[in-house]
Amino acid sequence: GENVEQHPSTLSVQEGDSAVIKCTYSDSASNYFPWYKQELGKRPQLIIDIRSNVGEKKDQRIAVTLNKTAKHFSLHITETQPEDSAVYFCAANQAGTALIFGKGTTLSVSS
Amino acid sequence: DTGVSQNPRHKITKRGQNVTFRCDPISEHNRLYWYRQTLGQGPEFLTYFQNEAQLEKSRLLSDRFSAERPKGSFSTLEIQRTEQGDSAMYLCASSQDGQGLYGYTFGSGTRLTVV
Repeated sequence: GENVEQHPSTLSVQEGDSAVIKCTYSDSASNYFPWYKQELGKRPQLIIDIRSNVGEKKDQRIAVTLNKTAKHFSLHITETQPEDSAVYFCAANQAGTALIFGKGTTLSVSS
Repeated sequence: DTGVSQNPRHKITKRGQNVTFRCDPISEHNRLYWYRQTLGQGPEFLTYFQNEAQLEKSRLLSDRFSAERPKGSFSTLEIQRTEQGDSAMYLCASSQDGQGLYGYTFGSGTRLTVV
């Protein structure tokens, strides 16, 4: 089955800096890669996703890149703000299977 | 439609007791998923349904766990003979079809504490 590894486990940046979180997956058949943000005590919420037929997707300050050959994908947050502080999870799956999540990255943005 | 609803929000039970949780998905979503999340970890997949059919169960899912979705709407997750290791947040999520290749909407979860 699918296995998703996520790095780093914690990340501290200054407000305005960029943050990058990386994930690798094991199943070459996986073709859907979402990212979730979970604030303390709240539910995970989808922030951006990418499918295997594209290599990059952007939505304002966040972007995701996918390298299917290397089986890794990354989340990029530019111009970080204190409200970006949260736990971020990557996930992967293929058609007909459930999402498998990474262990999460705790992002702290200090002002 | 206010999203995915889970009840109860919190449950404290004594070891050895049975507990049941309920999830009401977004009405037009025919896929429903159960995950377990412990502190500092990502959601761990338990099982999922498409309509009323249970299509996949995690190999990690003990025989003490059972889930149903009898009419393809709400779902229940039952844990029999609870153990302290079952203490976790139990998350339900739903998604529209498309073979599961759409983002999930999560509920707020049921936090289980086994004492």
